[in-house]
Amino acid sequence: QKEVEQNSGPLSVPEGAIASLNCTYSDRGSQSFFWYRQYSGKSPELIMSIYSNGDKEDGRFTAQLNKASQYVSLLIRDSQPSDSATYLCAVRSWNDYKLSFGAGTTVTVRA
Amino acid sequence: DVKVTQSSRYLVKRTGEKVFLECVQDMDHENMFWYRQDPGLGLRLIYFSYDVKMKEKGDIPEGYSVSREKKERFSLILESASTNQTSMYLCASSDRQGMGYFGPGTRLTVT
Repeated sequence: QKEVEQNSGPLSVPEGAIASLNCTYSDRGSQSFFWYRQYSGKSPELIMSIYSNGDKEDGRFTAQLNKASQYVSLLIRDSQPSDSATYLCAVRSWNDYKLSFGAGTTVTVRA
Repeated sequence: DVKVTQSSRYLVKRTGEKVFLECVQDMDHENMFWYRQDPGLGLRLIYFSYDVKMKEKGDIPEGYSVSREKKERFSLILESASTNQTSMYLCASSDRQGMGYFGPGTRLTVT
C-alpha cells in the first residue's frame, strides 16, 4: 500500500500570513505530485502539480518537492479567507495509472 | 477547460434498487476513476479504467461494477443499493502524467 501522509490539522492562520502544508510519501518510485483544494461540499480542484525537485510557484501558491526526503509541501502566501478549505496531497508512481491521496489538511484563515 | 460532468448532483434511492452513475469527460483522457468520499475516511478508489472496455478494481470494489464502452464515458453501477453506500461519489479523469480532474460529485442517499 502506497502511503501518503499529511500534517494533521486543522491549521488556523491569520489573514495575510503564510500557510504551510506538508506531505510525505512512502513510494520512492513516485514521479508526479499534486495538490488539490476542496471546499466543503464541493469536489477537489487541482491547484498545483510538480514533477522535479525544487520549487514551483503559481501566484500565491508555491509547491516544493524533495524526492530524496520523500517530501512535498505547499505554501500559501498572503492567505485569504477564500483559501479556507481542505488541501489534499496526491502522488503518482511512474508505473501506475492512479493517484494515492493523503487524508487532507483543513486550513482556516482568520480574518 | 477540462470538463468532467456527472449525471446527477443529488440522488435518493431505495435499498435494493439498481443505481447508475454516469460520468463524461471531454479531454480525451485514457484514464478514468470512481471514488467515494466519506467524512473521516478520505477519498477511496472504487474502480478505474485505463482504456475502453478495460477496468481494474480499486480499494473498495465490493457492491459496485463499472462500464466503459466509450472513451469519454465511465459508468458506476450499484447492483443492489444498500444504506452503507450512502456517500459522495466522485468521478475523475487524468492525462498521461496523472494530472487528474474531478467532476462535481453525486451525493447519493440510500434509504
